[in-house]
Amino acid sequence: DARVTQTPRHKVTEMGQEVTMRCQPILGHNTVFWYRQTMMQGLELLAYFRNRAPLDDSGMPKDRFSAEMPDATLATLKIQPSEPRDSAVYFCASGSGGAGGYTFGSGTRLTVV
Amino acid sequence: ELKVEQNPLFLSMQEGKNYTIYCNYSTTSDRLYWYRQDPGKSLESLFVLLSNGAVKQEGRLMASLDTKARLSTLHITAAVHDLSATYFCAVDKPNAGGTSYGKLTFGQGTILTVHP
Repeated sequence: DARVTQTPRHKVTEMGQEVTMRCQPILGHNTVFWYRQTMMQGLELLAYFRNRAPLDDSGMPKDRFSAEMPDATLATLKIQPSEPRDSAVYFCASGSGGAGGYTFGSGTRLTVV
Repeated sequence: ELKVEQNPLFLSMQEGKNYTIYCNYSTTSDRLYWYRQDPGKSLESLFVLLSNGAVKQEGRLMASLDTKARLSTLHITAAVHDLSATYFCAVDKPNAGGTSYGKLTFGQGTILTVHP
C-alpha cells in the first residue's frame, strides 16, 4: 500500500532550537496538509498545498512557523525558534480528494523542553 | 468559519450493543470523511462520503451523509472490543465557487470504549 512518510518520528529539542519536519506524500496526490494534534485543541490545520502551491496557512503562527513544498516529493514544516507550547504530534496528509480521500502519515511527535 | 461538532465525545458501550455517533457541521458541503485513531497511532481512513444520501458499510460500521441536515452518522452494530478507538469526522469545505475542495476541518473526536 502507498503511504505518506514522515520524518523524524520523534523529536526532543530545547526551547529556541530550530525544528524541521519532513513529509513525502504519496506519488500522484495533488493536495498536502500539515495538521497539529494536541489533547487540548484536537486536530488543527496548519497549512495545505495544492499542486505544490500554498493555499491556506492561516492556522499557522507566522512568526515562527513556515511550510514549504520544494518539490512534489517533499513537504517541510519548520519551527524557528521552538517553544514548549509547540509540543504536539504533527501529521502530514496527502490526497486528491474524491473517492480516494486523504491518507495520513505516522506523525512526528515533537517535545520542546 | 466551518464548525464540526461530534456527539457524544465519550462513549462507553457494552459488547453486542448498537450505538450511533453524530457529526454536525455548520456550512454547506457534500464531502465528509470518517477516520479511526488508535492510541499513539495515525489516522486511518474508514469512509468517504461524497454526496447527499451516501451510505457506506464496512463490517460492523455504517456511515451516512445528509447534506441538507448537515449531518453524518456513524452507526455501530453489535460492538466488539476491537472497535475501541477514537473516531473523527472531517468535513471537506469547498472554495467560494464550489469548484475546489481539500480543506478538511475535523470534529473533536469521539472516544469509544467497548467493554464486556
